Amino acid sequence: NAGVTQTPKFQVLKTGQSMTLQCAQDMNHNSMYWYRQDPGMGLRLIYYSASEGTTDKGEVPNGYNVSRLNKREFSLRLESAAPSQTSVYFCASFRSRGRGAEQFFGPGTRLTVL
Amino acid sequence: AQSVTQLDSHVSVSEGTPVLLRCNYSSSYSPSLFWYVQHPNKGLQLLLKYTSAATLVKGINGFEAEFKKSETSFHLTKPSAHMSDAAEYFCVVSGQGGSEKLVFGKGTKLTVNP
Repeated sequence: NAGVTQTPKFQVLKTGQSMTLQCAQDMNHNSMYWYRQDPGMGLRLIYYSASEGTTDKGEVPNGYNVSRLNKREFSLRLESAAPSQTSVYFCASFRSRGRGAEQFFGPGTRLTVL
Repeated sequence: AQSVTQLDSHVSVSEGTPVLLRCNYSSSYSPSLFWYVQHPNKGLQLLLKYTSAATLVKGINGFEAEFKKSETSFHLTKPSAHMSDAAEYFCVVSGQGGSEKLVFGKGTKLTVNP
């Protein structure tokens, strides 16, 4: 049981390049999330997916797109990276039953845009 | 709408002394409240959560928090700090019925001095 996994762990891009951050969970959770973390800002929600086939914008969606490929996988795409997107990105999934509501986080992807 | 205010961006204590990290929340609903911890260059780990059961919640590593509705607070405490407690701590609120969207505070960085 790997929990929430993210690839890559680190990435450096040049302005204007594109890339996709991958996230997968093996806990059979319906909901998945993408956050970004910037110093002094806490975590801010970019997009989330309440179930396979649905996605919704969070607090800071501009410059990003997402795909909920299946129940396990939720990817985040930067079509044209900008230096303002330099951040640490966390994926999470949500357990709504059992031992109570809780989000489980991946280890993060550290992205630098030059 | 929900919001969270962590009253201190930095807290510094000596090893063996008590820890107090302060959090106030605002919510239109009966909230679920969480504390997460993030060690340097790591992901987020759930410390404890309040979901309308007992107002005094015990978590991992000796931490506990008390939900005070009259004060709209959910402060995190530990009787005796350990060097390994040095990390960043996030107070988090979710919506009604443990709604899946979480709102994060900006974080409190805890330093533990020998």
